[in-house]
Amino acid sequence: EAAVTQSPRNKVTVTGGNVTLSCRQTNSHNYMYWYRQDTGHGLRLIHYSYGAGNLQIGDVPDGYKATRTTQEDFFLLLELASPSQTSLYFCASSDAGTTNSDYTFGSGTRLLVI
Amino acid sequence: GDQVEQSPSALSLHEGTGSALRCNFTTTMRAVQWFQQNSRGSLINLFYLASGTKENGRLKSTFNSKESYSTLHIRDAQLEDSGTYFCAARPSSNTNKVVFGTGTRLQVLP
Repeated sequence: EAAVTQSPRNKVTVTGGNVTLSCRQTNSHNYMYWYRQDTGHGLRLIHYSYGAGNLQIGDVPDGYKATRTTQEDFFLLLELASPSQTSLYFCASSDAGTTNSDYTFGSGTRLLVI
Repeated sequence: GDQVEQSPSALSLHEGTGSALRCNFTTTMRAVQWFQQNSRGSLINLFYLASGTKENGRLKSTFNSKESYSTLHIRDAQLEDSGTYFCAARPSSNTNKVVFGTGTRLQVLP
């Protein structure tokens, strides 16, 4: 079954720590996205990609890097984690450019930076 | 810029009743999608609309691009409908991105 799988589900790290969040999609979608969700802000776009090797900056990119190694895999990197990056992170995929390019979300990763 | 104004921000319904959630758009949107975020935090696709109306069980959604709004109607609400509902719209000016509303927190009461 087509899906978006995120790992880990939960992560705790210390301030200044290095964190990698992983996302894999089996939808054969070309677009992948990383969002963060915080109370009062809804979902905000961090980075997105339209294919392997491509990276586009989202609306709240500061403090984050991302890498799209294959069509299936999209990683979010926090190289110097800060408490302000404590959040719920969602990965999504879509086949933007088609007439029915809806989003499919992963189950989310809860990150706590202490 | 491209914005989505979602209302109400919170809503309480008794089981068996219904209501409507609404998203207004500040610019022309090409399509809209509605999600439910359940108690575990998962985002569940409800509808994707490029125009018109879709219905699925007790849920019905309408998207009017010309008048810049979308609605989600819930009828005969059940306890499992509780959660936060988001709309997300694709601006016609940039269909590679999606703009999210801030959500409607729905509580269904026995």
